[in-house]
Amino acid sequence: DQQVKQNSPSLSVQEGRISILNCDYTNSMFDYFLWYKKYPAEGPTFLISISSIKDKNEDGRFTVFLNKSAKHLSLHIVPSQPGDSAVYFCAAVQLQGAQKLVFGQGTRLTINP
Amino acid sequence: KAGVTQTPRYLIKTRGQQVTLSCSPISGHRSVSWYQQTPGQGLQFLFEYFSETQRNKGNFPGRFSGRQFSNSRSEMNVSTLELGDSALYLCASSWTGGAGSTYEQYFGPGTRLTVT
Repeated sequence: DQQVKQNSPSLSVQEGRISILNCDYTNSMFDYFLWYKKYPAEGPTFLISISSIKDKNEDGRFTVFLNKSAKHLSLHIVPSQPGDSAVYFCAAVQLQGAQKLVFGQGTRLTINP
Repeated sequence: KAGVTQTPRYLIKTRGQQVTLSCSPISGHRSVSWYQQTPGQGLQFLFEYFSETQRNKGNFPGRFSGRQFSNSRSEMNVSTLELGDSALYLCASSWTGGAGSTYEQYFGPGTRLTVT
C-alpha cells in the first residue's frame, strides 16, 4: 500500500522555466511533509518542508504547496537551473503518531540548457 | 559538523551469506533510521532506533535486523542474503526532539550492496 505517491517518474524542463513536481498521499493523519533531493552516489538531502497547518512554504527558488483537501502537495522550482537536475522525493510523517517518514518513489528532474 | 557516515560504501556478497552495515550519525543526533532504495520503489523504511531502542519498524522480514549503541552509532544486519536484497541502503539521523518538532533527517551516502 503506497501511502505516498509520485506518479511522474521523470520530468524534463527548460532552464529558466518553472519545474513543478507533484506528490499525492492517502493517509489523512500525515501532518508534516518534506521534499528531498538526491544526486547519484549521494544520500538524499533535505530541501524544504511544510506543516499541515500551512498551505505554502517558500525558501528562495523553492516553494512547496499543500492542498489538504486533495491530499496533494507540489514543489515549485523557479527559475530552474541545471544544478537542479536530480531525483526528488516527497515524504510524509505523522508527528503525533509513529513519527516514521514515508517516502514516495521519486521523480527524476532533468533541466535542459 | 561532520555528516552521517556509512561503511562500507560498496559491498558484493553471494546468496546465503550475511552482511553487516555501519552508520555513524551526526554528533548529537539520537535517532538513526535505515532505508532500502531500489529502482522504482523509492525509499522503503526498514527501522528506526532511538536511544538504543527500536522505535519503529517497516515491513521487512526478520532477516533484516539492527541495533544502536550508546554512542548512537548503528549497525544493520541482513542474514541469508537473497538476490532481491541488492539495493542501496541508506542511513539517516535526526535530533528528533519529540512530537511537534521538525523532522528533517540527514542522510549518509549509502552502502551499495550487490548480491550475486
